[in-house]
Amino acid sequence: GAGVSQSPSNKVTEKGKDVELRCDPISGHTALYWYRQRLGQGLEFLIYFQGNSAPDKSGLPSDRFSAERTGESVSTLTIQRTQQEDSAVYLCASSLGGLAGATEQYFGPGTRLTVT
Amino acid sequence: KQEVTQIPAALSVPEGENLVLNCSFTDSAIYNLQWFRQDPGKGLTSLLLIQSSQREQTSGRLNASLDKSSGRSTLYIAASQPGDSATYLCAVGETSGSRLTFGEGTQLTVNP
Repeated sequence: GAGVSQSPSNKVTEKGKDVELRCDPISGHTALYWYRQRLGQGLEFLIYFQGNSAPDKSGLPSDRFSAERTGESVSTLTIQRTQQEDSAVYLCASSLGGLAGATEQYFGPGTRLTVT
Repeated sequence: KQEVTQIPAALSVPEGENLVLNCSFTDSAIYNLQWFRQDPGKGLTSLLLIQSSQREQTSGRLNASLDKSSGRSTLYIAASQPGDSATYLCAVGETSGSRLTFGEGTQLTVNP
């Protein structure tokens, strides 16, 4: 079946502009996660959605970052007033849900964001 | 705060060799541990998931072990092939949180 999809695959934007990244999880997966991977570094957790529960936003680096999810489907990650330090690959993952640590996460191909 | 360390950072081996990648974590209160591979410019592919109650998992030429009390996991790759060349990431699912905490990976090159 279809895996996690993300769009766009690449995004180049000017410093100060807003960007919106999209994630389509695997159908039936109630949990959705966003991570960031800067060049040469490991993955950093950003935010987690589980069903209709309040999202875990503890990984968001600043108030310029926000994310939404419509029910158990699409999620969008928005970065306002982008800075060069926001340049990274943004990865989305989904899982069957329940306790997040208990189920396998499946990752999308990522969106490579470059802020010039 | 959970910290995950992977050793070595990079490894280059000739084709056919068996090899071991190491992962250690500081907080043993984990729900599971997951090994991924990442190819350049691509997302992560899940290789093996070990629940905290398990000692090992096997898939084809891959075997992952977990020693929760000592905070260690190993990924064993048998009879390595050039197609195994990638970055291998270890990640732990935490008891109390919702996130995976990742190591920085081991970059593996298998030479023909």
